[in-house]
Amino acid sequence: AQSVTQLDSHVSVSEGTPVLLRCNYSSSYSPSLFWYVQHPNKGLQLLLKYTSAATLVKGINGFEAEFKKSETSFHLTKPSAHMSDAAEYFCVVSEDTDKLIFGTGTRLQVFP
Amino acid sequence: NAGVTQTPKFQVLKTGQSMTLQCAQDMNHEYMSWYRQDPGMGLRLIHYSVGAGITDQGEVPNGYNVSRSTTEDFPLRLLSAAPSQTSVYFCASSYSTGFNEQFFGPGTRLTVL
Repeated sequence: AQSVTQLDSHVSVSEGTPVLLRCNYSSSYSPSLFWYVQHPNKGLQLLLKYTSAATLVKGINGFEAEFKKSETSFHLTKPSAHMSDAAEYFCVVSEDTDKLIFGTGTRLQVFP
Repeated sequence: NAGVTQTPKFQVLKTGQSMTLQCAQDMNHEYMSWYRQDPGMGLRLIHYSVGAGITDQGEVPNGYNVSRSTTEDFPLRLLSAAPSQTSVYFCASSYSTGFNEQFFGPGTRLTVL
């Protein structure tokens, strides 16, 4: 069965410092993996997705994620945090084209 | 394009009442889905549809019904509301499957007393 674990429920960084949001997945097959972002009181927006092409995936707003099969990880990174990055981030896994499994989310706080 | 719209934005129900959450999209997307978001649990799939006339269950379908008579609309019906259904509900759509970018509506915050 597929599942996804986001290792940190909260992450706090200072503006201008790197961001690392950790995600591990479990899947019997080669999954597709996604990161979505939710700003306060808004719907979710796709940041990036991995679908078995390049293992380093670049997304919007300077975010990127690396698929590491040996570690079953798909961590999200950004070299320099901006105040506008403060939001909740969801790692998502899918083996089935019709069903997405969401992680429990990581709330990112960015301090000036 | 309005994208994905949901009504109402907020709703309070009493236990046992029924209601329908509306969802519409104007992007001609085949795939539509409903999620509920609860604190510390992420989003959980309730029902989804891969096209008009086709619906299927997700992770947490009990207590909810859906229908898809048109491509544009995908209403979610609560048959007999329970306090456990207090949640924020999101509708999403995408071009063909869950693998494509999901476009989310703004959500409906439902409280069941």
